[in-house]
Amino acid sequence: GQQVMQIPQYQHVQEGEDFTTYCNSSTTLSNIQWYKQRPGGHPVFLIQLVKSGEVKKQKRLTFQFGEAKKNSSLHITATQTTDVGTYFCALLRNAGNNRKLIWGLGTSLAVNP
Amino acid sequence: NAGVTQTPKFQVLKTGQSMTLQCAQDMNHEYMSWYRQDPGMGLRLIHYSVGAGITDQGEVPNGYNVSRSTTEDFPLRLLSAAPSQTSVYFCASSYRTAAVLNTEAFFGQGTRLTVV
Repeated sequence: GQQVMQIPQYQHVQEGEDFTTYCNSSTTLSNIQWYKQRPGGHPVFLIQLVKSGEVKKQKRLTFQFGEAKKNSSLHITATQTTDVGTYFCALLRNAGNNRKLIWGLGTSLAVNP
Repeated sequence: NAGVTQTPKFQVLKTGQSMTLQCAQDMNHEYMSWYRQDPGMGLRLIHYSVGAGITDQGEVPNGYNVSRSTTEDFPLRLLSAAPSQTSVYFCASSYRTAAVLNTEAFFGQGTRLTVV
């Protein structure tokens, strides 16, 4: 079945450094959703991308959808300790009653103050 | 709105015991699902439902049952708990739509289950 690969699995950065996580697929994606899960918390929706080449920003977070719709990235500028957590990408497979989110394994971000 | 409410937050079971994890949402979402989360394994889908009276299996359904008698509730039943079911369980809900937009999942706070 369709899968999404997420890299890296872990990332340690110093506060103030930038961070990027990538979500890749061997097949064309119709959409990508991004979620953040704080340690001990639950996943929280951040954004959805559907258009080829789409770029969306949320303050220090920049989300991109590749031109070929086979990859996506989340970039955080000047990380803060509040950015700590695991970032997941997920593909919505929507076909009638067969509707599922296909999840990447996530990238865990640690930020040293 | 309370969103998605899961109970209990923590549970310890003995091997062989059964129990029900409760999930309720007040957003009138048709789609509800159960995931388990284990270290390094991401989120794995156990069961899901596209509406009252309709349920289907996810990728790891063995040892779990679900039912959906109302739009609001989607309980997950562990039939005979095993140590391999030690995990964090999340319930999620979303709108059911043929479109791609407005399909974000709303998660409950999670249930941390230990089977000894």
